Amino acid sequence: RKEVEQDPGPFNVPEGATVAFNCTYSNSASQSFFWYRQDCRKEPKLLMSVYSSGNEDGRFTAQLNRASQYISLLIRDSKLSDSATYLCVVNTNAGKSTFGDGTTLTVKP
Amino acid sequence: DAGITQSPRHKVTETGTPVTLRCHQTENHRYMYWYRQDPGHGLRLIHYSYGVKDTDKGEVSDGYSVSRSKTEDFLLTLESATSSQTSVYFCAISTGTNEQYFGPGTRLTVT
Repeated sequence: RKEVEQDPGPFNVPEGATVAFNCTYSNSASQSFFWYRQDCRKEPKLLMSVYSSGNEDGRFTAQLNRASQYISLLIRDSKLSDSATYLCVVNTNAGKSTFGDGTTLTVKP
Repeated sequence: DAGITQSPRHKVTETGTPVTLRCHQTENHRYMYWYRQDPGHGLRLIHYSYGVKDTDKGEVSDGYSVSRSKTEDFLLTLESATSSQTSVYFCAISTGTNEQYFGPGTRLTVT
């Protein structure tokens, strides 16, 4: 079993839709959590950190459930430009991260 | 922009030849990383460094070595390249809050 697991998708949604991705992790000692976005043939870019109380950045909301060991990303009012692969990242100790394989999102007109 | 550059950006080499990839940062971050990304495997950590001359192995370190003689440079060496090392290689730095920022990547093809 992988340390960090994501539904690979693909998720195909129309513009304006709300879409949610989940990510589960196996190490209960995990300390910090992130969502990254990766466009085709480009480097991953930090989208947002995930805090225990949940956090929002515009149309994006991230939540952490430590008891069930999962994090989620909600995208509201999807735009064509949101089409990308979304990577879940978990840090278990200082300096090392484990990446999920990513969830692919395609937003269609 | 975290000031991370990688060189070369593309390279084609033959099996058995040595290859060195360079990562350069301009912001004096302590932690630096080398990942490879392959279809079906996502990003996998090769080696990382937590300071000058301080390095450690990641999950896929076999066949790779690294060196960090200056804070700003982290080198990844394939001593004798194999076709299984054809991949996209990303360098990254980590901030004090564990956020990672990546370089643009190097596409390596071993024929």
